[in-house]
Order: sequence, then structure tokens, then C-alpha cells
Amino acid sequence: DAKTTQPNSMESNEEEPVHLPCNHSTISGTDYIHWYRQLPSQGPEYVIHGLTSNVNNRMASLAIAEDRKSSTLILHRATLRDAAVYYCILTTAGNNRKLIWGLGTSLAVNP
Amino acid sequence: GAVVSQHPSWVICKSGTSVKIECRSLDFQATTMFWYRQFPKQSLMLMATSNEGSKATYEQGVEKDKFLINHASLTLSTLTVTSAHPEDSSFYICSATDRDRSYNEQFFGPGTRLTVL
Repeated sequence: DAKTTQPNSMESNEEEPVHLPCNHSTISGTDYIHWYRQLPSQGPEYVIHGLTSNVNNRMASLAIAEDRKSSTLILHRATLRDAAVYYCILTTAGNNRKLIWGLGTSLAVNP
Repeated sequence: GAVVSQHPSWVICKSGTSVKIECRSLDFQATTMFWYRQFPKQSLMLMATSNEGSKATYEQGVEKDKFLINHASLTLSTLTVTSAHPEDSSFYICSATDRDRSYNEQFFGPGTRLTVL
């Protein structure tokens, strides 16, 4: 699976937007871009995924660069409950895709 | 929907004993279940992938005789840590994919914290 690179940590203020970057310069044409997050002492939670087009859901937006070598997870208004480790993961299409986890970005949200 | 439970949520055991962790998909049928281990301040490490009715596929470096996985039904998988030792103390997390969804998003359980004394 292609590798992703994320900043170790980021900080945001409550109610402000947060842009979490992810670089994946070796992405292949069939790789999906996934974002999961993990709150302290909990299992991970799916956030969003995309292939080529930008995606929006109730939790976040995913902006994918035109060359697909990078993407950005956007939390439109950070809350204290958004403090978590955010993982950007690539997997290829097909059933039973394995998720290979990096260290992610630890997001701190200040009140 | 798509809820995964784990039991127990935490367990403390003596060295040399075996511990069984259950992973259940509560409102969907799981095509595949995955078992992960996570040490403090580290990322998740995939241990094995299991499909209902077949043998689990273990990742390199994971001892299949030590970490026994049984996926007897479409809603239940179990991980048994045999002859546990202190170095097996970790956060064990399972996930499952929904057979009826076209996209294989993984739904995660809340994790089981194992402490071996």
C-alpha cells in the first residue's frame, strides 16, 4: 500500500475550521483515500473517504488535489470533541482491504 | 447502524493464563473482521484478518498459535491470547466490514485493554 505523510500534531481553537493535510505522492490510480480518527482510549471511527472528487458528509469535507498526491481533511467548526488522532490511509479497491496505519496527526482543540 | 461491540472492555490476568476477547457486529452481518493491537502512543497494528467459516490470515510476525482467532458466524469473532505474558499487555481492537454495503468501510469496536501481571 502507498505511504502517507501527516504532521505529528496540530492545534486549533474551538469553533474555528481545521485543515488537516496528508501527502500521498505515490498514490496509484485505484487507491482510495480514507480518513479515520481515534479519540483517547477508544476504537477508531470512520470519518470520510474519496477517490478523485471532493467529498462532504456530516462530519467533515475531503479536498483531494487534482493530481491526487495530497488531500486535506476539513473540519468546518472544531469542537472539543474533535480532539483526536486523525489517520489518513490509502487502500486499493476491492473487498477486504487492509488498513495500514501510520502515526496520524494528533489534533488538540483549545477552548 | 453498524455497531461493533467488544467484550470485555478491560481484563487483568495473571501471566500464563489465556484470555478470550469477543467481537460482535450488533446490527449487520460482517463479511470480514480484523484484529488490531495498539501499544501506548503507537498506531494500530493489524494482527490478522478473518472471514466467517475460514481460517484467519495472520500478518507477518504474529504468532497464530498464540493469538487464536475463531470467526464462527457472521456476527462473532473471538481472539484468544494463549499463555499471556506481560509483553502481551496492550489495547486490542476489532473491526468489521458490512456484507451488505458496497463500500468496505471498517466499523471498529471500542477496544479491550488487556493487562497481564
